[in-house]
Amino acid sequence: GESVGLHLPTLSVQEGDNSIINCAYSNSASDYFIWYKQESGKGPQFIIDIRSNMDKRQGQRVTVLLNKTVKHLSLQIAATQPGDSAVYFCAENSEYGNKLVFGAGTILRVKS
Amino acid sequence: GAVVSQHPSWVICKSGTSVKIECRSLDFQATTMFWYRQFPKQSLMLMATSNEGSKATYEQGVEKDKFLINHASLTLSTLTVTSAHPEDSSFYICSATGMNTEAFFGQGTRLTVV
Repeated sequence: GESVGLHLPTLSVQEGDNSIINCAYSNSASDYFIWYKQESGKGPQFIIDIRSNMDKRQGQRVTVLLNKTVKHLSLQIAATQPGDSAVYFCAENSEYGNKLVFGAGTILRVKS
Repeated sequence: GAVVSQHPSWVICKSGTSVKIECRSLDFQATTMFWYRQFPKQSLMLMATSNEGSKATYEQGVEKDKFLINHASLTLSTLTVTSAHPEDSSFYICSATGMNTEAFFGQGTRLTVV
């Protein structure tokens, strides 16, 4: 389940289950969104991106959904594996290549 | 994907000294580099945007005289934390973008000021 408080929210899932990580973005002018995975002590790693003219994009085991009406982004991970355990951030920007604004992040814990 | 390298990956320094962190794009020309700071269990906060050959643009609340940024070439940007104090201890991350490319991140630098 999820927990929200002073710390990053945590999503705990069983290995093999699907994970859904949510993100609310702030700028209605943002037209490019990215999901990053960050493992402890490392920099963010690109997972998948989506432009505002799309509402869904699929990668390998991952799908990003964009709902511009409510400014909501989600990352779905199929058949979650222990190696997926990390902190996941969404990021938005309003111009390709310009500065990114990061969301708060969600800790994903995969139980074996 | 493209490679961005940060050096050092970790550093411990005494309070009052200065520390320089390097960010290099190894296989592309980075027209813009960004510096972020990340405290434990928090998100990445943008500190400044650096364009090659021009002065960096700092985010509100970031002291430009304390965090000196130099972007002298298309493959190198440096962040110098001057007169470091324990509250400057953090994880510093750079990212780099080229013309019409996504942002590539370095592996981060863990700074501990004692």
